[in-house]
Amino acid sequence: DIQMTQSPSSLSASVGDRVTITCRASQSISTYLNWYQQKRGKAPKLLIFDASSLQSGVPSRFSGTRSGTDFTLTVSSLQPEDFATYYCQQTYTNPRTFGQGTKVEVK
Amino acid sequence: QVQLQESGPGLVKPSETLSLTCTVSGGPFSGYYWNWIRQPPGKGLEWIGDIYYSGNTNYSPSLKSRVTISIDTSKNQFSLKLSTVTAADTAVYYCARERSGGAPGRLDVWGQGTTVTVSS
Repeated sequence: DIQMTQSPSSLSASVGDRVTITCRASQSISTYLNWYQQKRGKAPKLLIFDASSLQSGVPSRFSGTRSGTDFTLTVSSLQPEDFATYYCQQTYTNPRTFGQGTKVEVK
Repeated sequence: QVQLQESGPGLVKPSETLSLTCTVSGGPFSGYYWNWIRQPPGKGLEWIGDIYYSGNTNYSPSLKSRVTISIDTSKNQFSLKLSTVTAADTAVYYCARERSGGAPGRLDVWGQGTTVTVSS
């Protein structure tokens, strides 16, 4: 199985902050990397697919980049509705695997 | 727009079989992979498996011996059966659509999730 390692597991930030979350794959997955946002008690929501493509309807403050097997989700200016848990997922091969999640909390 | 809705018992006894159904409405059923994902209380997301509309399946190796995913295209439904459950199978279970179509697959539509508790 491909292991997806997210860091940090949690972070504290303020509205307006630039926030960066990293996901590292245990082997090459090309750009088969997605990012999801999950709010408490809700289903995950797709933010970024294909490492850097913004899902329709997602604000442009969210962006994704790839460097080899390292992937980054950036929120350029954190908004109140962005406090949530974020997950990466690889769809390069089966079994699909998720990172362990990064919880973004209010500082 | 496409909507997914999970249904099934919220309480299952240990050693019995968990059965859930996901009903797809408002969009095409064919041409997609249909997924099951679960989330134990306070924990992260775990992929269980998927089924293509043609009936081909893929399962997580850790659950493969206990999982069956099936599809009924006439009803726009797909189902999950997980046998011999234990308390460790207590989770919120989500169904989701995997879209690819020229780009890497991604789960672009999710059900709201259904909580299943394993307890006697």
